[in-house]
Amino acid sequence: QKEVEQDPGPLSVPEGAIVSLNCTYSNSAFQYFMWYRQYSRKGPELLMYTYSSGNKEDGRFTAQVDKSSKYISLFIRDSQPSDSATYLCAMSAGNQAGTALIFGKGTTLSVSS
Amino acid sequence: DTGVSQNPRHKITKRGQNVTFRCDPISEHNRLYWYRQTLGQGPEFLTYFQNEAQLEKSRLLSDRFSAERPKGSFSTLEIQRTEQGDSAMYLCASSLSTDPYGYTFGSGTRLTVV
Repeated sequence: QKEVEQDPGPLSVPEGAIVSLNCTYSNSAFQYFMWYRQYSRKGPELLMYTYSSGNKEDGRFTAQVDKSSKYISLFIRDSQPSDSATYLCAMSAGNQAGTALIFGKGTTLSVSS
Repeated sequence: DTGVSQNPRHKITKRGQNVTFRCDPISEHNRLYWYRQTLGQGPEFLTYFQNEAQLEKSRLLSDRFSAERPKGSFSTLEIQRTEQGDSAMYLCASSLSTDPYGYTFGSGTRLTVV
């Protein structure tokens, strides 16, 4: 079992839809949770990161962490064609265990106009 | 500031040759990371530096791989005796030690070993 599992999709939605992207993980030591967006032939771009459980909102994006279920989500409201990309979740146990990020495989999202 | 810069963008090399990649981080960032990404996978951690000190290395970083950050500014990643399995995107990222998870990634160097 991989430490971080992410459904690769692809996920296709119409413009304006609410998108839900999810990851599950097995390592209970993870405390920092990130979401990245990666366009083709580009490096990942950090969208949001959260510490421990809870919700965080930034514009059209909301990140949720449920440590009891080892499950994290990213919601995109009012999706736009420009949101079409691969979305990667990433996690880390924190400074005492180093700052390496463990990434999921990524979910490919396509938003049609 | 133009972000994290990586050169070259693409490199094609024959099996057995040595290759070197360069990363120029955001100037005020004291942490620098190397990751490797293969098609359909997320990035995998290779190593990271704080200033010029290499503080962590992954088991993925075999003896053929070496990374340096001689003056705490740019970094190089060298792969000796390349193998076809080394074909991947090599990503560099930087951050501040006061915000260690606020990574900025470069666009990567795509290596193809033929």
